[in-house]
Amino acid sequence: SQQGEEDPQALSIQEGENATMNCSYKTSINNLQWYRQNSGRGLVHLILIRSNEREKHSGRLRVTLDTSKKSSSLLITASRAADTASYFCATDTSLYGNKLVFGAGTILRVKS
Amino acid sequence: DTEVTQTPKHLVMGMTNKKSLKCEQHMGHRAMYWYKQKAKKPPELMFVYSYEKLSINESVPSRFSPECPNSSLLNLHLHALQPEDSALYLCASSHPPGVGQPQHFGDGTRLSIL
Repeated sequence: SQQGEEDPQALSIQEGENATMNCSYKTSINNLQWYRQNSGRGLVHLILIRSNEREKHSGRLRVTLDTSKKSSSLLITASRAADTASYFCATDTSLYGNKLVFGAGTILRVKS
Repeated sequence: DTEVTQTPKHLVMGMTNKKSLKCEQHMGHRAMYWYKQKAKKPPELMFVYSYEKLSINESVPSRFSPECPNSSLLNLHLHALQPEDSALYLCASSHPPGVGQPQHFGDGTRLSIL
């Protein structure tokens, strides 16, 4: 089952521009994670934000979490062609923190 | 290079065959996972092993049989699969237990059922 919805489904931008992806979810969470998947590859963990955190940064990534609206956003600044990939949010709702439910994903294309 | 290794990368099998997917990690992780991913869809959790014991089975059909022989290895045994089981099968690992552990994924096995 899918916990979250992401928008947009697809995003096409020029190199150097910022990309923003949004994720909404339905139930209370322990944490929310963002993953990237390049075509034909596995998922790569990008960033984790806990339910008591509101914002987190990692390099060119900025993640926000609004638990009152049950939503999160991922901002990639100064995008590069290598950022072209699918991006998934994943919510962790389980008691033991082992069960991730992924959103539908956003396909990002960065044109050079 | 990923730290979780999955073999084979591609597998084509008939509906009556028996095959196994293998996953190996040497990061000292004690939780391992199997996911199924259909084209243009997100990964869906199938099984979770924690300290080599099955802790979550997401109502997966019995034609999929997981096995965790030791803390570094995870197998998925396949028997009498259906065409709709064609998908990318991803293995992941993490530190358990507790909340907030990122998962490390392999590149998957692309399975085609004839």
